[in-house]
Amino acid sequence: EAQVTQNPRYLITVTGKKLTVTCSQNMNHEYMSWYRQDPGLGLRQIYYSMNVEVTDKGDVPEGYKVSRKEKRNFPLILESPSPNQTSLYFCASSLGPGSYEQYFGPGTRLTVT
Amino acid sequence: DAKTTQPPSMDCAEGRAANLPCNHSTISGNEYVYWYRQIHSQGPQYIIHGLKNNETNEMASLIITEDRKSSTLILPHATLRDTAVYYCIVRSPQSQNFVFGPGTRLSVLP
Repeated sequence: EAQVTQNPRYLITVTGKKLTVTCSQNMNHEYMSWYRQDPGLGLRQIYYSMNVEVTDKGDVPEGYKVSRKEKRNFPLILESPSPNQTSLYFCASSLGPGSYEQYFGPGTRLTVT
Repeated sequence: DAKTTQPPSMDCAEGRAANLPCNHSTISGNEYVYWYRQIHSQGPQYIIHGLKNNETNEMASLIITEDRKSSTLILPHATLRDTAVYYCIVRSPQSQNFVFGPGTRLSVLP
C-alpha cells in the first residue's frame, strides 16, 4: 500500500531535549516536505527536499533541521525544542514539487513543556 | 501564488449535494485550482484540481468560472464521512509548496 508513515504519532517532551520525528514513504517520490499546523494559522511549510541531499527552507524553518540521505526518508530534527514548537506536524511526499497530489502522513502531535 | 477566500463553515444535509465556493480573483494564467480536505486531524487528502475546464472524478466535480476568478467544489451526494475542512489552493506548477489557508469546515448533518 502506498503510504507516508511518521513516528512517533504522539510525543510529549521537555524544553531543550533533542528529538527526531521520522518520515518515510514507499512511493519512490523525489519531493518531500514537512508542515506544521497550528489553530488559526493553517498548515505552514517548514522544510522541503527536492531529492537526496537537496533540502531547502520553507516558510517557518527556525528551530528545525532536516536531512535527506535516502530517497525514502526525511527526518525532522528539533535540536533544542521550545514550547512554541508544540504543534501538529505533517510529512508529505510527491513525485515532484509541481505534482498536483501530495501524499500526507498521519501526523505527529508534539507537546513541549 | 494567488490568495483564496472561502466561507469559514457550511452545513449540508446527508444525501444532498454540497457546493463549496472559493474566490481567487487574483489568479494568474498559469495557476491551477486545487482542492484538498482534512478529516479531523488526519493528513490532508487530495480531491481534485483544474486549470480552466470543469473537472470530475470519483470524489467530486470542480466548476471554474469562465474568468477563472472563482470556483466551486461539488460533492454530489454528501455523506457523514465527508465532514471535514476543505481547502481551496491556487498555485503554479513551479511553486515549491501548497499554501493551506483556514479552509471551509463542512458539516454533513443526518
